[in-house]
Parts: sequence; C-alpha cells; structure tokens
Amino acid sequence: EPEVTQTPSHQVTQMGQEVILRCVPISNHLYFYWYRQILGQKVEFLVSFYNNEISEKSEIFDDQFSVERPDGSNFTLKIRSTKLEDSAMYFCASSEEEQGQHNEQFFGPGTRLTVL
Amino acid sequence: GNSVTQMEGPVTLSEEAFLTINCTYTATGYPSLFWYVQYPGEGLQLLLKATKADDKGSNKGFEATYRKETTSFHLEKGSVQVSDSAVYFCALSGPTDSWGKLQFGAGTQVVVTP
Repeated sequence: EPEVTQTPSHQVTQMGQEVILRCVPISNHLYFYWYRQILGQKVEFLVSFYNNEISEKSEIFDDQFSVERPDGSNFTLKIRSTKLEDSAMYFCASSEEEQGQHNEQFFGPGTRLTVL
Repeated sequence: GNSVTQMEGPVTLSEEAFLTINCTYTATGYPSLFWYVQYPGEGLQLLLKATKADDKGSNKGFEATYRKETTSFHLEKGSVQVSDSAVYFCALSGPTDSWGKLQFGAGTQVVVTP
C-alpha cells in the first residue's frame, strides 16, 4: 500500500542552524501539507502546497519557513534559523487531486526535531 | 475561528470494554469531521469521517455520528482490543477555512490492557 515517508526520523540541531525536513508523498497525489506538534500540544497546520506554490499558510509559517518540491518526488520543509521553540514533531501529508470536503490526507510517520 | 476540543487522556481500560472519546467542535456552518489514530511509531491514519449532519462514520468497529445540534462527534467502540492502544485525534476542516486545512484536537491516549 502506498505511504508517505519522511526522513530523518529524528533530527538534532543547534539553535540558529538551518534544517531541511524531507518527505516523499504518495506518487499520484498533488496536494501536500506540513503540520507540527509541539510536545504535549495539538497538531497544528503549517502550510499547504499545490501546483508548485503555497495554497495556504498559518501564522506559524513565518519567513523562517519555506517549502519546496525540488523534483517529482520530494517535498521539503526548510527552517532557516532554528529556534528552541521549533522543537516539535513535524508531519508531512498528501492528498489526491480533488481538494474538497471528502478528501483524505495521508500522513507520514513524522520527523522529531530537537533544537538545542 | 474553528476549534476542536476532546477529552483528555490517558484512558485506560480492559480488553472488551466499551470505549467512548468525547469530541466537540466550534465552527460556522457544516465542517467535515474526522477521527485520526496514531499507533506507536507511526503517522496519523484516518480512522473514519463524516461530512454532513447525522452522518455516521464507521471503521474497524469504531463509530462516530455527526451531531450538529450538540456540535459533537464522539468516538465509540463496543469492545476494544489491546491492538486499539493508540492516540486518537478528532479533527475538522472547512467550511470557512479551506477544506485542506485540518484542525486537530489535543489527542487522547488510549491504553487497553489484557
């Protein structure tokens, strides 16, 4: 069964460093998403991406964040200068072509980011 | 804005017990409602969904009914198994926000003991 994969499973970085979190969505999906979950808090929407551009972003997704689909398979989240409060589990998700109320998002297993 | 509130965990129960996890929401109009489950070490998986009032979503013995009058979407299972131990997330999307933007509750950890 096709699945969303994410690498690495755990990333440790120093404050101020850049990190890139990688995701491989399901191959025929066209909508891509990033969510994060700070320990003990809710899963929060960060950004959605379609047709090589951002469809929607939350207030969390500031200028330190960027997303990219560098090739036909990968979808990346970059944090330019990490802060302690960026420590969280980051989930990638993808969904099929039709964007609507019946659409199901498929999630990856997450990348745990720890900023020291 | 839209929001989801679900009961806090952990919920610990014995195998074959009845499980209920309460979820209520705040939204304008008729959002789509979801239950996602996260097994240890895995990503979130869609468990069931309902897209209009009075719809019942069901899967793997779990059920939830979209109740507009009480703005609720409680998850139930009549007889849980140890393999149901996981974290369960209630979520909604739309209609005033985009359908692609899922908003989650805090998650409820369920522990089923033999």
